[in-house]
Amino acid sequence: QVQLQESGAGLVKPSETLSLTCVVSGYSISSGYYWGWIRQSPGKGLEWIGNIHHSGTTYYNPSLESRVTMSVDTSRNQFSLNLRSVTAADTAVYYCASLYSSTDGFDYWGQGTLVTVSS
Amino acid sequence: DIQMTQSPSSLSASVGDRVTITCQASHDITNYLNWYQLKPGKAPRVLIYDASNLETGVPSRFSASGSGTHFTLTINSLQPEDIATYYCQQYENLPLTFGGGTKVEIK
Repeated sequence: QVQLQESGAGLVKPSETLSLTCVVSGYSISSGYYWGWIRQSPGKGLEWIGNIHHSGTTYYNPSLESRVTMSVDTSRNQFSLNLRSVTAADTAVYYCASLYSSTDGFDYWGQGTLVTVSS
Repeated sequence: DIQMTQSPSSLSASVGDRVTITCQASHDITNYLNWYQLKPGKAPRVLIYDASNLETGVPSRFSASGSGTHFTLTINSLQPEDIATYYCQQYENLPLTFGGGTKVEIK
């Protein structure tokens, strides 16, 4: 069974960079699949941030593309999210998840991690 | 972008009731739709894939139907453990988009 666990700073200052990592267990990232990030702002719905393949191919939400970078580290079986120039609007629970292809539903999810943007 | 309109945004029902949630897509997405259950502090769970297929391990009281632009999720005989927020998600095209969510509570 694939398991995912997010980690990273829970508090980020405005204008700085939000950085999160998702460790995958029970499956080798190099074996395939795509890996994604989704967020849920307080009182709002879910928003797709982007997907990455183990080859490094990325797909980003156009609404965030100018500030997002995703990367994968196959040696550590993990992938990461960087979101630059954050504001209070980026405060959210961030989830990592797996999906079979670049355009697909998400089958396995992490529990999510709350990131608050505040000075 | 494909907009997903979900209704109602919240509902309150009694244990044993039948509950129906709808999701409307702004464009034809054939059957490229998932339904998820979210509970605070827990990993989200996929309930339904490809619009109508029950994910392994999901109780049979959950069912779903639809194609094109109109989709429904039904919970037959609502149970206390079904208290959660439910979301639809289309994967016909990027960007992947979700409905606004339906919060289900027990009356």
